[in-house]
Amino acid sequence: QVQLQESGPGLVKPSETLSLTCTVSGGSISSYYWSWIRQPPGKGLEWIGYIYYSGSTNYNPSLKSRVTISVDTSKNQFSLKLSSVTAADTAVYYCARFLVGAKGGWYFDLWGRGTLVTVSS
Amino acid sequence: DIQMTQSPSSLSASVGDRVTITCQASQDISNYLNWYQQKPGKAPKLLIYDASNLETGVPSRFSGSGSGTDFTFTISSLQPEDIATYYCQQYDNLPTFGQGTKVEIK
Repeated sequence: QVQLQESGPGLVKPSETLSLTCTVSGGSISSYYWSWIRQPPGKGLEWIGYIYYSGSTNYNPSLKSRVTISVDTSKNQFSLKLSSVTAADTAVYYCARFLVGAKGGWYFDLWGRGTLVTVSS
Repeated sequence: DIQMTQSPSSLSASVGDRVTITCQASQDISNYLNWYQQKPGKAPKLLIYDASNLETGVPSRFSGSGSGTDFTFTISSLQPEDIATYYCQQYDNLPTFGQGTKVEIK
């Protein structure tokens, strides 16, 4: 079955750029939307953005100026870059598949296990 | 932006109890409302999509209802393995999540 796995540094210095990759296995990245979601320790879920396999994107307005999501269909991967990070960006970062249902609603049906990224000097 | 108000923030119930969580949207979102279960240290898991559709493999004790601005998530008979935090999520234009409800066993 389709599985997602996040990878990247677990520690990033303040003001630097956080970079993560999500590898999709057991299925093709094509024909789907893919998303990044984060969760600060002990807090709720925050959607970061999504990308279509063709490359079109949509971002959370609160993070838009610092976020870039890209896709590499040849590697079945998509990636997140978050610039100018601060301690407030410390969180577990999840990648997920973003699916449209028969009635037009959108939901996250598959998730990676998540990776903790700590912003600290 | 559409805001989601989820309540209660936490609850404690006995095994076998009926548990209800509500989610209210700041404007009409039709039935574009989903529910997730997150166990400690794990990724969220989709339980209900489009307000009332049970995801494949999810036990039938879980259910959802509602449309417009008011939605309800129900566990008909709470089981020990249901201990988790539950989140609603809307998609009208951009996805947003409710604040979460932590469910504990009394």
